[in-house]
Parts: sequence; structure tokens; C-alpha cells
Amino acid sequence: DSGVTQTPKHLITATGQRVTLRCSPRSGDLSVYWYQQSLDQGLQFLIQYYNGEERAKGNILERFSAQQFPDLHSELNLSSLELGDSALYFCASSDIAGVRYFGPGTRLTVL
Amino acid sequence: GENVEQHPSTLSVQEGDSAVIKCTYSDSASNYFPWYKQELGKRPQLIIDIRSNVGEKKDQRIAVTLNKTAKHFSLHITETQPEDSAVYFCALAGGGGSNYKLTFGKGTLLTVNP
Repeated sequence: DSGVTQTPKHLITATGQRVTLRCSPRSGDLSVYWYQQSLDQGLQFLIQYYNGEERAKGNILERFSAQQFPDLHSELNLSSLELGDSALYFCASSDIAGVRYFGPGTRLTVL
Repeated sequence: GENVEQHPSTLSVQEGDSAVIKCTYSDSASNYFPWYKQELGKRPQLIIDIRSNVGEKKDQRIAVTLNKTAKHFSLHITETQPEDSAVYFCALAGGGGSNYKLTFGKGTLLTVNP
């Protein structure tokens, strides 16, 4: 167990819908990262938050957004879902040395 | 931006043999190079990492080497065992420091045959 939690574990929804994925970092970690993993794209960095502020942005679609709350948990919002958004979504947090700890992931299936 | 190429994409070895996976990168400001092991449907797990001020690091059967001049780093697994079978990802953090975003290679599927 890495100490990073993610909910839900599985999510099945329809095209055009909106979902929210939740992540709680390890106690004391200020950074949260979101990654998307699909079969053909590997682990793609989406976005990073540090202590509530957006710090880095990757290949995140405009239909996706995220935020980090004062208690440091983070949410990734995915809207107008398409079939191609089906993937594993991982959240990670990092310690002061930069070591990343990944959560168990949320498997999103868009039908 | 950061880019990392990982080779090979698949690797099959006999139990007891060594396995080597190599990654090359382009951004000379990269300073943190971790390796992750991911079993099917599970989270990526850190197995070893190296920072830019070190050339080699070893942890039991696993070692990582870094050549900053040539901009490549490699994972070495000796005395492979069937439980080493998994997908291995290299990654790097760029000029923003080790807490900056990690960019991952495409992964190597390692199969260790008993």
C-alpha cells in the first residue's frame, strides 16, 4: 500500500457524461499528479498540483479539469466523455525528495 | 520538452539470465531518473531511482546506470526470476527539479521463462 488512495476503483458510464475521480495523497505530501494510462499511449502526464496551485500541465484535454483542495485531496473532472477516454487514471503524490507514490488507479469505461 | 525513448518494447529471457532495458532522453536539464515495475492492472511501483549526480546505483539484483554525456540510463536485472515478469517503465523529471512532472517511456514487457 503506497498510502495514496483513489476512488472509485471502477467507473462505467456513457458517452457524453461527466465523472469525477478523487485522490488523497500520502500524509504530508503536497504534490499531486494525475496520469492517464491507455493501451496505446502508455502513462501520459495530465496535470500536477502543489499545495493547491497548478504547477505543471501535460496533455490534458480541455474537457478535463482538476483541482486540489485545502486538505490536499484532488479531483479530476472528465466531461463530454468519449469512447477514447476509457483508460486507467492514476494519481500520485511525491515526498520531499521527489519520489512518486502511485494510487491504485480508477478504471474508467465509457460505453 | 522532455522526451524519453525506451527499448526494447518486449524482452524475453530465461530464468537466471540478465535483462537490460535502456532509455535515452533529450533534455540535458533532466535530473531524476526512476524506474517503475507495473504488473497487470496494478499501480506502477518504484523499484530504483538515480539522480543526476550519481553514475550508478545498485539494490540487490537491480542496478541502474546513468550516462549524462550520452543522455541515456539503463536498468539491469540479474539472476532474473519468473516474478520479475512485468512491464517496466523508465521515467525522468526535467529541469523543474525532482518534484517536477515525470515523463515516462512507453514501457518494456519483460517475460522471464522458467
